[in-house]
Amino acid sequence: SQQGEEDPQALSIQEGENATMNCSYKTSINNLQWYRQNSGRGLVHLILIRSNEREKHSGRLRVTLDTSKKSSSLLITASRAADTASYFCATSVRDTGRRALTFGSGTRLQVQP
Amino acid sequence: DGGITQSPKYLFRKEGQNVTLSCEQNLNHDAMYWYRQDPGQGLRLIYYSQIVNDFQKGDIAEGYSVSREKKESFPLTVTSAQKNPTAFYLCASSEGEKLFFGSGTQLSVL
Repeated sequence: SQQGEEDPQALSIQEGENATMNCSYKTSINNLQWYRQNSGRGLVHLILIRSNEREKHSGRLRVTLDTSKKSSSLLITASRAADTASYFCATSVRDTGRRALTFGSGTRLQVQP
Repeated sequence: DGGITQSPKYLFRKEGQNVTLSCEQNLNHDAMYWYRQDPGQGLRLIYYSQIVNDFQKGDIAEGYSVSREKKESFPLTVTSAQKNPTAFYLCASSEGEKLFFGSGTQLSVL
């Protein structure tokens, strides 16, 4: 089951610009997380936002959550070439026996130096 | 140096052969997971284990098997019943709600 869908699928920006990625999901969630994956590597946790939170910040990252629209956005400010990676949202679904995250399809971000 | 170790990094499977992917963690986490990633795609859950000697099927368990005899180890066997095994396999463990991933195994069919 594909709970989350990211938009856009791919994004190319210049260094110093902001990058915004969106995630939509289908069912009620306990929390939503964002992960980063460099090519051919494992994923690294970036930030977690709970269903009763609307916005969260961590360094250059800003995440918003709108549970009424079942959507989240990840904003990376002042991007750097090292931010080039794929970014995935992952949801923890409420009211199921499933104790594992469901991942979206990802956004591939290319930051041009 | 704490973390999750997956081996091998690259693995080739012949037709009709079973292969086993190793995943070891020294983070003392109870829960462990296997995900499959196809090129340009997201992750799909194969199996997960919340505690030793217990595991649950994920969304795409057919053609795969696992065991969880030790807390630190969660090997994945790709059986001959899995007709399209070529993919990048990721193992993870969790502390609370956050996942920690290994560096993955690329499995290809000869």
